[in-house]
Amino acid sequence: QITLKESGPTLVKPTQTLTLTCTFSGFSLNTSGVGVGWIRQPPGKALEWLTLIHWNDDQRYSPSLKSRLTITKDTSKNQVVLTMTNMDPVDTATYYCAHRHRYVYYFDYWGQGTLVTVSS
Amino acid sequence: QSVLTQPPSVSGAPGQRVTISCTGTSSNIGAGYDVHWYQQLPGTAPKLLIYGNNNRPSGVPDRFSGSKSGTSASLAITGLQAEDEADYYCQSYDSSLSGYVFGTGTKVTVL
Repeated sequence: QITLKESGPTLVKPTQTLTLTCTFSGFSLNTSGVGVGWIRQPPGKALEWLTLIHWNDDQRYSPSLKSRLTITKDTSKNQVVLTMTNMDPVDTATYYCAHRHRYVYYFDYWGQGTLVTVSS
Repeated sequence: QSVLTQPPSVSGAPGQRVTISCTGTSSNIGAGYDVHWYQQLPGTAPKLLIYGNNNRPSGVPDRFSGSKSGTSASLAITGLQAEDEADYYCQSYDSSLSGYVFGTGTKVTVL
């Protein structure tokens, strides 16, 4: 049974760096083809893909946010960490991490999400 | 920021059939990448509803079906039920962006 859970601050100030952790179980990020991604959703708006890290440490980023994002993994802890620099109020959103099955382009399991508010 | 276009809302009476369109471009759906659909009930995380254009994960009722043609895809809900009231998102992969793209989202209302 695959589960994922996001954790991190609920409130950050403008210009600060956001660090979110996705802790997962039920699969290994050492398995060929598997990936973990981050998707966000501003209140009342659509889903937006941010980044994904593959089993082989290959990282992919949304072109519009690439300069601000870093994704890393710690397979021994079953964790994936998202870092986003220079936070702005428009980055206020629910941030989800999600499991990508082997060699496919969709997310079959999602975390519950964590709401991050950017405000001074 | 959404690359795939969906109608903002669709509605139907219980038991009716509704469809949601998802329009992309030659670098995503038109390039042959599969379309996937997610259902997001109020206040919850998205749930995979359809994968690979027309496949349902275990547990998803067969009232939900998907199709794809050219640069577009569609989700159909037959026998609409009150519990189907939710937001629905299509998703694909875009070769020019080298990343995953989502639709603008469609709110389904059961009258």
